[in-house]
Amino acid sequence: KNEVEQSPQNLTAQEGEFITINCSYSVGISALHWLQQHPGGGIVSLFMLSSGKKKHGRLIATINIQEKHSSLHITASHPRDSAVYICAVPNQFYFGTGTSLTVIP
Amino acid sequence: KAGVTQTPRYLIKTRGQQVTLSCSPISGHRSVSWYQQTPGQGLQFLFEYFSETQRNKGNFPGRFSGRQFSNSRSEMNVSTLELGDSALYLCASSLAGAGETQYFGPGTRLLVL
Repeated sequence: KNEVEQSPQNLTAQEGEFITINCSYSVGISALHWLQQHPGGGIVSLFMLSSGKKKHGRLIATINIQEKHSSLHITASHPRDSAVYICAVPNQFYFGTGTSLTVIP
Repeated sequence: KAGVTQTPRYLIKTRGQQVTLSCSPISGHRSVSWYQQTPGQGLQFLFEYFSETQRNKGNFPGRFSGRQFSNSRSEMNVSTLELGDSALYLCASSLAGAGETQYFGPGTRLLVL
């Protein structure tokens, strides 16, 4: 069993749809990291959160420490959001396998 | 502020050879972590260096090694390359450790033939 599990593995959405990516972890954490990786490999940090909710533009990340679960939401999805989204437990160097998102115009 | 840079960006080697990859962190960042990414295994942690000392190590064989210099630049070395070492190698830097926001470099894509 992986220490960090993500779902779904693949997601296709129509432009404008509301998207949710889920992340569950089984280890103790000090914070959880959401990353975005575009084709070509570059990884960008989206959020680092240890409680509650954070919002940046159309992206919202939430975390429930008691349930060991985090979600990444994208409102009004756009084709440029197409990427792989990875959740990570940085202090223990664990990564989810990623969710590949494709947003169709 | 310049981002994390990695050299070379692409590399082709043959089995049995060795390879050295370089990572220059963001100025002021003292922690550098290395990761291997493959389609089958996803991102896997190799090691973390802080102030020239290896602070954490992942579950990789001894063929994978690294070091960090006094200017925080880091290198990783893979000896006796195997076909399975073909991967994207990413480094990330942060001010004081992987528990903080990490900034990733563009990666070095290694192909072992």
